[in-house]
Parts: sequence; structure tokens; C-alpha cells
Amino acid sequence: EAGVTQSPTHLIKTRGQQATLRCSPISGHTSVYWYQQALGLGLQFLLWYDEGEERNRGNFPPRFSGRQFPNYSSELNVNALELEDSALYLCASSLGGSNQPQHFGDGTRLSIL
Amino acid sequence: ILNVEQSPQSLHVQEGDSTNFTCSFPSSNFYALHWYRWETAKSPEALFVMTLNGDEKKKGRISATLNTKEGYSYLYIKGSQPEDSATYLCAFSNTGNQFYFGTGTSLTVIP
Repeated sequence: EAGVTQSPTHLIKTRGQQATLRCSPISGHTSVYWYQQALGLGLQFLLWYDEGEERNRGNFPPRFSGRQFPNYSSELNVNALELEDSALYLCASSLGGSNQPQHFGDGTRLSIL
Repeated sequence: ILNVEQSPQSLHVQEGDSTNFTCSFPSSNFYALHWYRWETAKSPEALFVMTLNGDEKKKGRISATLNTKEGYSYLYIKGSQPEDSATYLCAFSNTGNQFYFGTGTSLTVIP
């Protein structure tokens, strides 16, 4: 069974640009979660998609957005990049519902210059 | 913003020792408590999800308990091995479908 895959592995952008991060869940999983881990901080919940809809979002500004496609893959978009957006972005998938274990990808390291 | 606290922040134990960590979370609006193991250069791996007060889960030498009324969970590792070295994360989800991760307990098992 293929695990959660994320692309790209690394992404370098400059301030003000836009970044798109992609995630493919485990086959059969309908929920996708996005997390940010900035340097020295724990995992911060960004977004949760299930069955193509946004179910909830964390305490992040609207320039963090995303979507989930009919095949349950997802992308995270970050607009007007700021230096503090430099972080590891992790995607996880599950069968749906916050009482299901999440399976994580290896992450995308986003660096803002 | 809710606080999920884990203690200790880091721990060094000798191979063969048993150890335990604590995760504290808000007791109101509880829905589920997750434990994950995060090894260096790998992605987090799910250990347990617990939803009921008094739940106990076990996976090999690792077990966990849950007290939703007082807002804490314990993770126990019996007979620690070097391969248990990792950061152990807990995550609390509430009835509002929000997830809050603790900052983790970093365990180093010394051979």
C-alpha cells in the first residue's frame, strides 16, 4: 500500500510569491489534514478536508487556503509569502473523522528568502 | 487556542528501563486523544487513538491510558530499546473538529 506522498520535497520562494504544495492520500482515505511545523514550534493544525469539503481550519490567515480534488488528493496554497512561513508542511490522511489515526507524509520544506 | 502540554520535554533512559510520559489537555469538549511516534528523518507514525474515559491501549511494549475527566493521558514504554528513541507526540481533538498537538517528549534510549 502506497503511503501519503507529498510534493515537492523542498520549495524555495521569495517574499510576496505564492506557493502550492501537493498531497496524495493513502488509497481509500477521504480525509486530508495539513499541518505547519515552524522552527522550534510544535505541529500547528492548518486545514482539514473531507469528501471534497473544508471541514475546519486552524488559526491561520486567509492567505493559507487549499482544496481537495475528487480523487481526494489535496493542495495547499500560500499567498503573499512572508518570511515566517518558512516551515515544514506535513500532510496526513485518514479514513475520515477526528477519531481515526492519521498517516503522515514526509513533508514539504518551504523556505522563504 | 487550547494548550496541550507534554512532560517531560526530553528524557534519557538506559536500555531496559521502563518509562512514561504525560499529555495534559482541556477536559471540556473532548473528542479524541492521539499518540504518535516521530523518529528523526521519518514522518510521524500513529500509535493510538483513544476516545473513551478509562481507555487503555497496548501495542507491544507500549501502552497508553486516558482520563478525559481530568484531562490527561499517559504513555508507557516497558523495557526501553534503542529503537524506541524518538519524539512522542500527543494530539487532542475536540467536538469542534480542531486538532491541537503537544510539542512532544523526546526520548533517547542509551544502549
